[in-house]
Amino acid sequence: QQQVKQSPQSLIVQKGGISIINCAYENTAFDYFPWYQQFPGKGPALLIAIRPDVSEKKEGRFTISFNKSAKQFSLHIMDSQPGDSATYFCAALVGSNYKLTFGKGTLLTVNP
Amino acid sequence: NAGVTQTPKFQVLKTGQSMTLQCAQDMNHEYMSWYRQDPGMGLRLIHYSVGAGITDQGEVPNGYNVSRSTTEDFPLRLLSAAPSQTSVYFCASTDRDRTYEQYFGPGTRLTVT
Repeated sequence: QQQVKQSPQSLIVQKGGISIINCAYENTAFDYFPWYQQFPGKGPALLIAIRPDVSEKKEGRFTISFNKSAKQFSLHIMDSQPGDSATYFCAALVGSNYKLTFGKGTLLTVNP
Repeated sequence: NAGVTQTPKFQVLKTGQSMTLQCAQDMNHEYMSWYRQDPGMGLRLIHYSVGAGITDQGEVPNGYNVSRSTTEDFPLRLLSAAPSQTSVYFCASTDRDRTYEQYFGPGTRLTVT
């Protein structure tokens, strides 16, 4: 049973465009929703995270939108740059057990 | 602070061989975990530990053992390597007292022939 579904699998965006990656979850006990960024040959690194008591969180060009009733959350990358080209993973966690459940990832390519 | 370190970076094993993937962290984090990453599968939790002497199974534990004798170290043992264990392995640690952020190591790329 896949608890966090992520789409699309891959995404190609022109420089300056908006990249949007979507995730849906099933377990209503999840209470922390991070996004991780991974460059080739590196480990994932936390990009931005949100808790379900807010609907949006913005850090620079990166924004998480969260819809608790629909059990969906998304990552928006504004003014996408070639340096943003990476694999992005959404994840979810139940705070009491610290076990992250990951989506399958989205390979983002930003063309110059 | 070195963060989370993993050794080796690359390893090739023959089917049936055993080996230990090393993981260490210098952040005094209680929670540590091992993931495997396969193309199109995301990261899947193998085993985790909430503190020294305490370990538990994750989503895909078969064929792997762990132990946690110290806060710093969390080795992953492959008992009898199989081609299905060809993957990239990541160790991570979390500061339970402050944030939920997991800090990942650089990974070990394992090939089993």
